[in-house]
Amino acid sequence: NAGVTQTPKFQVLKTGQSMTLQCAQDMNHNSMYWYRQDPGMGLRLIYYSASEGTTDKGEVPNGYNVSRLNKREFSLRLESAAPSQTSVYFCASSEMGASGNQETQYFGPGTRLLVL
Amino acid sequence: RKEVEQDPGPFNVPEGATVAFNCTYSNSASQSFFWYRQDCRKEPKLLMSVYSSGNEDGRFTAQLNRASQYISLLIRDSKLSDSATYLCVVPHTGFQKLVFGTGTRLLVSP
Repeated sequence: NAGVTQTPKFQVLKTGQSMTLQCAQDMNHNSMYWYRQDPGMGLRLIYYSASEGTTDKGEVPNGYNVSRLNKREFSLRLESAAPSQTSVYFCASSEMGASGNQETQYFGPGTRLLVL
Repeated sequence: RKEVEQDPGPFNVPEGATVAFNCTYSNSASQSFFWYRQDCRKEPKLLMSVYSSGNEDGRFTAQLNRASQYISLLIRDSKLSDSATYLCVVPHTGFQKLVFGTGTRLLVSP
């Protein structure tokens, strides 16, 4: 099993350009997440999808859109990139436990994005 | 009060030392807690889950104090390979999301 995969690993964009970050998981998890990680800020949730067909905003959704394409895939789109979106982006997936407790989140290797 | 707070460190310890990190949280209804480990330029990976008063896995012990709303991570007999950032993680209200602390950096030296 590959777990959670992300593409691309690195990307350089100019201000105003658009791009889509791809994420896929092969663990049959219902929930998927997109985070960004900046120095001193920790991981911040951008969007999440509790199950196929649903998406919800996280802590920092402005400037981003997401698509839960199917149970396996969850993409993050930057329509008009800004230098403030320079960051490391992580996708994660998880399952809710039978008791309703949040279970372990498994992360992809990350995408390093630089917006000039 | 932040949902999750950690001392950023760094904690510099020699090999073989015992080191402990604390993490405080604000959501008193949280039932499950996690410690993740993140190596430099890598993704976070689960180190331990804590569902009751505590958990132990080899050299690592996690303890939960619900009354004071803090979680601790104790590492005994530190190894060079323990050098990493340790993230305290708590479910957000509603439990569908996790809230990550900013992490505590540990440096173990020879």
